[in-house]
Amino acid sequence: NAGVTQTPKFQVLKTGQSMTLQCAQDMNHEYMSWYRQDPGMGLRLIHYSVGAGITDQGEVPNGYNVSRSTTEDFPLRLLSAAPSQTSVYFCASSRDSSNQPQHFGDGTRLSIL
Amino acid sequence: DQQVKQNSPSLSVQEGRISILNCDYTNSMFDYFLWYKKYPAEGPTFLISISSIKDKNEDGRFTVFLNKSAKHLSLHIVPSQPGDSAVYFCAASDRVNAGKSTFGDGTTLTVKP
Repeated sequence: NAGVTQTPKFQVLKTGQSMTLQCAQDMNHEYMSWYRQDPGMGLRLIHYSVGAGITDQGEVPNGYNVSRSTTEDFPLRLLSAAPSQTSVYFCASSRDSSNQPQHFGDGTRLSIL
Repeated sequence: DQQVKQNSPSLSVQEGRISILNCDYTNSMFDYFLWYKKYPAEGPTFLISISSIKDKNEDGRFTVFLNKSAKHLSLHIVPSQPGDSAVYFCAASDRVNAGKSTFGDGTTLTVKP
């Protein structure tokens, strides 16, 4: 099993550009989420999904869009990149939204110039 | 207002000794607590968890203690090994918002041979 796969691993964008961070899981997990981690800080929740077709906002949703058309995939879209979005982005999944551990991908390191 | 706090950014211990990592929380609704371990360039991996109905949970060298009245939990690693050197994140969630974990800023543990 691959677990949670994130692509790309690294990306450099110019201010104003848009892009999509990909996340896929092969564990048939219902719950998926996106976090960002800034230097010296913990992970902050951007958006999450409790199942296909259902998404909701987390703690820091501004500037990001998500969709969940399948159970496996949960892409994160940056609409118009800003330097403040320079961060490491982690995708995670868990069996459902009950209290349980999440499985994380290895992250996408994003730099906005 | 940060709801989960790890007040020690770093900790250094000698191989074979005990490592104690601390975490405080402010939200009395939190009822499930987790510790994740993170190596550089990798995503966090689940280490151990505890429900609020317990005050201790043990898994091999790792033990988590929960003091609900003090809103404090700690992770004990005995004996510490060089391979334990990593960043440790404390996370918490509540039954109403299950799955939406709130993370601390992490503690970097260095175990010296």
